[in-house]
Amino acid sequence: KNEVEQSPQNLTAQEGEFITINCSYSVGISALHWLQQHPGGGIVSLFMLSSGKKKHGRLIATINIQEKHSSLHITASHPRDSAVYICAVPTDGNQFYFGTGTSLTVIP
Amino acid sequence: EPEVTQTPSHQVTQMGQEVILRCVPISNHLYFYWYRQILGQKVEFLVSFYNNEISEKSEIFDDQFSVERPDGSNFTLKIRSTKLEDSAMYFCASSEVRGAGYTFGSGTRLTVV
Repeated sequence: KNEVEQSPQNLTAQEGEFITINCSYSVGISALHWLQQHPGGGIVSLFMLSSGKKKHGRLIATINIQEKHSSLHITASHPRDSAVYICAVPTDGNQFYFGTGTSLTVIP
Repeated sequence: EPEVTQTPSHQVTQMGQEVILRCVPISNHLYFYWYRQILGQKVEFLVSFYNNEISEKSEIFDDQFSVERPDGSNFTLKIRSTKLEDSAMYFCASSEVRGAGYTFGSGTRLTVV
């Protein structure tokens, strides 16, 4: 059973395209995290959000708590955006449920 | 910007050997975590640590694993007798508050041969 589902699993886009990655979850949460995993393996936290929308540069994350759904958007995508994007939700404790990740490749 | 530092970046060890993975969390953070990612699989929670004790652990974190904060700055993960299936990327993370504001380290790739 997957508490966190992401789609698509793989995504290839042309430079400049608008990209959307989706995350659905089945557990009740207070917040949701979007993480970026670089090709070398390192993980960076992009967003933590509990309602509405957050924007950081060309990245926008939205969440609908009622529908248990979040999206990560990248505007004007660039090859350096190529990475694995992971949706993660915390449990009541200190664990995270992680999605399987969306592997994004942006072609010049 | 403050970072979580992990060493080594890559470790190769023989099956049955003990390994210690090291992490230096961000200095004012109070919560510490270890995660692992087996190649091609999703990230999995191992353990969380707060106030010098384990606050939560997953079923992966069996008696072969232990964590320690020996000197107030380092946070270590020890695997007593490594198995082939322990080969994975191990990530340390820390946060100032529970459940928010995580910073991840860049990981240690452990290869057990």
